[in-house]
Amino acid sequence: GAGVSQSPSNKVTEKGKDVELRCDPISGHTALYWYRQSLGQGLEFLIYFQGNSAPDKSGLPSDRFSAERTGGSVSTLTIQRTQQEDSAVYLCASSPLAGGPGKNIQYFGAGTRLSVL
Amino acid sequence: AQSVTQPDIHITVSEGASLELRCNYSYGATPYLFWYVQSPGQGLQLLLKYFSGDTLVQGIKGFEAEFKRSQSSFNLRKPSVHWSDAAEYFCAVGARSNDYKLSFGAGTTVTVRA
Repeated sequence: GAGVSQSPSNKVTEKGKDVELRCDPISGHTALYWYRQSLGQGLEFLIYFQGNSAPDKSGLPSDRFSAERTGGSVSTLTIQRTQQEDSAVYLCASSPLAGGPGKNIQYFGAGTRLSVL
Repeated sequence: AQSVTQPDIHITVSEGASLELRCNYSYGATPYLFWYVQSPGQGLQLLLKYFSGDTLVQGIKGFEAEFKRSQSSFNLRKPSVHWSDAAEYFCAVGARSNDYKLSFGAGTTVTVRA
């Protein structure tokens, strides 16, 4: 597609439920990233994919968070047993990761706003 | 570990006035440097980037930024602000050796008054 696409744009859930957030990166981009943006905070790195593998999961805040990427394209971020502190905007980005310093320019989607009641 | 500081949480500026947003970073070597803008309900859009060479970089929408190694700064400027520049601005750094992982500042919200 033309840009990074995320769905849903908004998600309201009850505490304790599981949620899945989807990211469709720019076609041909090798790298995919998930960030979390809490109210009044900057972006917090969650996880990075190179192809289908995740060399860096260091930002995942707990074992309730997991992510996968299939076919080198779409990625899903799953949050199990959601808590109120999980409420945030979850942003996805992708980058080409091929050739030259421009390889790490990250292009962002509009995000999914998650509200846990 | 690298870190990014944006000292100003909120700036209000009159339309037509100049704007400068501050960004300081802490890192052992010269990183890659970026400025992103986020309008309400939108994702982050890249304004400009610095990798090497000329320390004054031009970006989209009339923005420019200057890298000052001695001050570990990468301040963003615009000579004349338009009402559409009201948004949140984020400075980000990426390590050259591990450049997939960006560290972002907390952001500066810009309000433009008529």
